Order: sequence, then structure tokens, then C-alpha cells
Amino acid sequence: QKEVEQNSGPLSVPEGAIASLNCTYSDRGSQSFFWYRQYSGKSPELIMFIYSNGDKEDGRFTAQLNKASQYVSLLIRDSQPSDSATYLCAVNTGFQKLVFGTGTRLLVSP
Amino acid sequence: DTGVSQDPRHKITKRGQNVTFRCDPISEHNRLYWYRQTLGQGPEFLTYFQNEAQLEKSRLLSDRFSAERPKGSFSTLEIQRTEQGDSAMYLCASSGGYTDTQYFGPGTRLTVL
Repeated sequence: QKEVEQNSGPLSVPEGAIASLNCTYSDRGSQSFFWYRQYSGKSPELIMFIYSNGDKEDGRFTAQLNKASQYVSLLIRDSQPSDSATYLCAVNTGFQKLVFGTGTRLLVSP
Repeated sequence: DTGVSQDPRHKITKRGQNVTFRCDPISEHNRLYWYRQTLGQGPEFLTYFQNEAQLEKSRLLSDRFSAERPKGSFSTLEIQRTEQGDSAMYLCASSGGYTDTQYFGPGTRLTVL
């Protein structure tokens, strides 16, 4: 079992819809959770971080964390074509290094 | 705050040659990380510095790889006797203060012919 798992996609949504991206992790001791966006050929860009159970909202983005079920999700409201990218889930298990999933490719069609 | 910078952005080398990459973290950040990313995969941790001390090194990192951060500011990653399997994007990130949020530089894309 991989430490951090994501569906590779692609996840296709129409412009204006809500995109829902999911991630599960295996280490129950994980402390902090991150979502990065990565455009093709570019480096990861931080979108959201979350430490506590529940929801955290920032503009069109909402991160959700459920430690009991060991999953993290990212909701993108009013999706735009410019949101088309690969979304990487990353988990800090308490040793400073981030463990990444393989990423979910999101395609937003006009 | 100019962000994390990396140099060079692209490097093409022949198998067996040595290469060195540089990373300049965000100025107030005392923690610096190196990751490697291949196509279709997420970044993979290589090593981590707190100030000038190298505190963790991935078991996946062969002896051909070495990293330094001599004055606790910029860092270098050297790969000796490069192999085609070393072709990847090499990413540097930094964090500081009480947060473990890591910010990535633009990366160095290495191609080994």
C-alpha cells in the first residue's frame, strides 16, 4: 500500500462546476496535509494546507480533513479552464519530509 | 520575498559526467529540502537541512548523490557519474518558523544522454 494515494484521473468537469479531488494516507501519525497545484513542466505551487479535522476555506478552494478515515479532499468551486492542472496531495508524517501522492489530473472544459 | 530560486533551470549532460545544482531558499527560511520528480510521479524526498545540518537523507539516495548547505543559506546538490536513470526534475523547497509549509523553487530539469 502506498503511503499517499490519489486517483490519477483525468477528472473532467465543465466550467463553473465543482471539482472534488480526494486523497487517502496510511500513516495515522500524520500531522499536516497540503495540496499543491502543478502545471505541466512547472514546479508545485501551494494551494492549501490543513492541520485539523474539518473544513478550511480559501476563496474558491476548500480543504477537508478526516483523520479517523485518513482522507483529505480538495473542492474547487466555480472551476475555470485555468484550474486545469495536476493536483498533488502531500502529507507530513512528523519528520519534516513531505510524502506525495502521484497526483490527480484535472481538466476543466469551457 | 523573492521566493526559492534554483540554478540552472535546465541541464543536459552525458552519462558519466558530474553535475551540480544550486538552490537559494526564501531568505528567512532555515529549513531546506531537495526532492526529485519523474514524469507521472509525485516529488520524492531526497534530503533535508536545518540551517547547515543535514538531518535526513533518503535511503533511496545512492552514494553518487551529495548535498551541502555550508553556511546555512544556499545549498548545492551534486550527482557524480550520472546515469540515464538520474534524468528528472530536481526540486528545492524551503520552510521556516513554526510552520512546516514548504515552498518550492522552479526546479532544475536534468537530462542525461
